Amino acid sequence: DAKTTQPNSMESNEEEPVHLPCNHSTISGTDYIHWYRQLPSQGPEYVIHGLTSNVNNRMASLAIAEDRKSSTLILHRATLRDAAVYYCILIEGSNYKLTFGKGTLLTVNP
Amino acid sequence: DAGITQSPRHKVTETGTPVTLRCHQTENHRYMYWYRQDPGHGLRLIHYSYGVKDTDKGEVSDGYSVSRSKTEDFLLTLESATSSQTSVYFCAISEAGFGGYTFGSGTRLTVV
Repeated sequence: DAKTTQPNSMESNEEEPVHLPCNHSTISGTDYIHWYRQLPSQGPEYVIHGLTSNVNNRMASLAIAEDRKSSTLILHRATLRDAAVYYCILIEGSNYKLTFGKGTLLTVNP
Repeated sequence: DAGITQSPRHKVTETGTPVTLRCHQTENHRYMYWYRQDPGHGLRLIHYSYGVKDTDKGEVSDGYSVSRSKTEDFLLTLESATSSQTSVYFCAISEAGFGGYTFGSGTRLTVV
């Protein structure tokens, strides 16, 4: 399975933007980039995904580097409820399985 | 989560007894997955299904079996529960594999 690298933890202040980085230097042309988050005592929650172009939805934005070897999840205004572990995952085009790494623990300060 | 439910939510069972966890979806999605989550290991894939009666193993499938006789139900069975299978189990569904996955709320299983 394709691998991703994320910082173990990040900290942010409430109502400020947060940029969560992810490196995936071995990504192949058919791999989708997915982001999920897991709040304490809950199941993972889908945030956003993309292939080549930047994507926006009501939760976040996904910025994908031109060479696709890295991506950034952007939370435009962090709230206390955004405190969670964020996972960046690659899904191979012919192998529809999510393989979770350790993710990034985001702490949001009031 | 809407469209996917897991049952039971909590279960305590004794070593050596069989246990079945159920995942039920109302989304008519093709793909269904079972994960377990343990401290220090994160989420690991146990088994998955890509259609009725079509299943395959994940990275930690030993000691587990699955069945999918209907689109909406995916059952995970521990034939003879062991203490190492104490964990939180999550089910997930996906329509096309590359779209967003939806996870259930989890089943906390304790084997004593």
